[in-house]
Amino acid sequence: KNQVEQSPQSLIILEGKNCTLQCNYTVSPFSNLRWYKQDTGRGPVSLTIMTFSENTKSNGRYTATLDADTKQSSLHITASQLSDSASYICVVSLHRGSQGNLIFGKGTKLSVKP
Amino acid sequence: DGGITQSPKYLFRKEGQNVTLSCEQNLNHDAMYWYRQDPGQGLRLIYYSQIVNDFQKGDIAEGYSVSREKKESFPLTVTSAQKNPTAFYLCASRGQPNEKLFFGSGTQLSVL
Repeated sequence: KNQVEQSPQSLIILEGKNCTLQCNYTVSPFSNLRWYKQDTGRGPVSLTIMTFSENTKSNGRYTATLDADTKQSSLHITASQLSDSASYICVVSLHRGSQGNLIFGKGTKLSVKP
Repeated sequence: DGGITQSPKYLFRKEGQNVTLSCEQNLNHDAMYWYRQDPGQGLRLIYYSQIVNDFQKGDIAEGYSVSREKKESFPLTVTSAQKNPTAFYLCASRGQPNEKLFFGSGTQLSVL
């Protein structure tokens, strides 16, 4: 069964600290993995995409990693800000060429406190 | 400004009533999607459309209906057959199968 598991379910950190969110997947055939940020009451916004051949990719203070052998990805947030408070969703695409081919994780809810 | 617009932001449904959620995009995307989001749950696919006048059921299509008469518009009707409609509904679009999704800002549907 194609699944995406995220951990932790929720996380509270102090402003300025770093944190790492995890995503494990059992999806086949794998095409790519995206991390989305969803502010409360808003739609998700794409942060980064990881393809099979990529190990690390940065987008400002966000750094995503992918280990295709262990089927794990992480999202590292550096020097957290209050605006980082949101849910972070891991989404894996199946390599089917169809539009209905996305598997969503349940998300990690991050709270950054002053 | 290119984007995807959902309306209304909040919607209340009475028992036995059908309600329609609007989704409009000016990104010239072929594919459009409707997702349902419940607290603590991942997004679940209701319906998607890859082209005008064509759409496919997702994982939880029962109690919902859609139409795609124009490329820009993909309205979702929550029918009285959907017994647990309270949720946050998200519309999305994208141009190609492996491109990122562009989401609207969502509609919160509640039952009176």
